[in-house]
Parts: sequence; structure tokens; C-alpha cells
Amino acid sequence: RKEVEQDPGPFNVPEGATVAFNCTYSNSASQSFFWYRQDCRKEPKLLMSVYSSGNEDGRFTAQLNRASQYISLLIRDSKLSDSATYLCVVIASNSGYALNFGKGTSLLVTP
Amino acid sequence: DADVTQTPRNRITKTGKRIMLECSQTKGHDRMYWYRQDPGLGLRLIYYSFDVKDINKGEISDGYSVSRQAQAKFSLSLESAIPNQTALYFCATSEPLGGETQYFGPGTRLLVL
Repeated sequence: RKEVEQDPGPFNVPEGATVAFNCTYSNSASQSFFWYRQDCRKEPKLLMSVYSSGNEDGRFTAQLNRASQYISLLIRDSKLSDSATYLCVVIASNSGYALNFGKGTSLLVTP
Repeated sequence: DADVTQTPRNRITKTGKRIMLECSQTKGHDRMYWYRQDPGLGLRLIYYSFDVKDINKGEISDGYSVSRQAQAKFSLSLESAIPNQTALYFCATSEPLGGETQYFGPGTRLLVL
């Protein structure tokens, strides 16, 4: 079983819609959590970190539930430019602090 | 100029050949990583290095070796390439203290025939 699991999608949503992605992790020693964005055939780039208290960056909101080992990303008012693959990333203290990636969730925002 | 560069960007090679993928960074980070990405499998860690004298195996190190020639350079070698090493390879760097943000190079597309 992979340590970080995501629904691969694809999620096809119209512009302006709200969409939510979920991610679960299995390593209880996980201590840092992130969402990365990857455009087709490009390198991943950090979208936002995820904190226990939840955090918001414009139209993007990330939540962490340590008890359930669950991370979410909410995108409001979707734009065409949000179309990408969203990668859930976890760092565990017992794995050398290397990033452990989920397989990604594909989002397509349509006009 | 890009902070993390990879060469070559694309490479086609034959089974059994030795190839080297190179990564250079100007960010001054101590930590460097090599990942491969395959469709349906996501990014997987091959090797990582926390400083010039430190090399660590990742999830899928078999068939690969690395060299950290300097703080700014981290090379990945395939001693004898095989077709299932066909993938997109990314180098990344991060700052210490847990490496919260990793900065990726543009990737190298490798095809092993």
C-alpha cells in the first residue's frame, strides 16, 4: 500500500466551480504536508503548505486532520488556468525528510 | 536563469549503455534529490544527498548510482540502462530544517530502447 494516496480523477469542472481533493497518508510519523502543482510535462511546484490549523491562500484552502491522517485541498471559483495535476506530499521524520508523493489528482477546468 | 538545471533534457539510449544525467543548482542548497516519474506511479525517490559527503538510497535505488561532486552538482548514473528505466527524471533541491520547499529542475526525458 502506497504511503500517500489520492483519487487520480480526472476531475472535470466548469469555470467558477468549487472542487475538493482528498489525500490520505499512512505513516503516523509524518510531520510536514504540502500540495504541489504539476502542469503537463513540467516540473512540480509548491502550491501551499498544509498546517493543522488549516490555511488559505486566495482561492485555495488546505486542511489537515492528523487524527484521520487526511489532507484536503479546496479550490473555489475555478479558473481555466487551474487545470493541472495536484500532488499531495508528505514528509516523515522516519524517512530522512525526503518527500513522499501521492500519484496526483488531475483537474480539468472547462469553459 | 533557472535555479536548478538538468542536462540533457531529452535522451534516447540503447539497452546496456551507461548514461549520466546531470543536475546543477545555483540556490546554494545543501540538499539534493533525484526522482523518477512514471505514468500512474507518481514521483518516486531514487537517491538523496544532504551534503557533499552524504548519500542516501531512496525508494527505488536499484540500477542507479549517484555522485555529489560539489554542493551545486548531483549526478545520476545508469550503469547499464534497461527499458523499464524509461521515465521522466527530476532533480530537486531544498533547504535544511526538513526541506519544506523543494525546487525542481525541468526534468530529463529518458527513453531506453
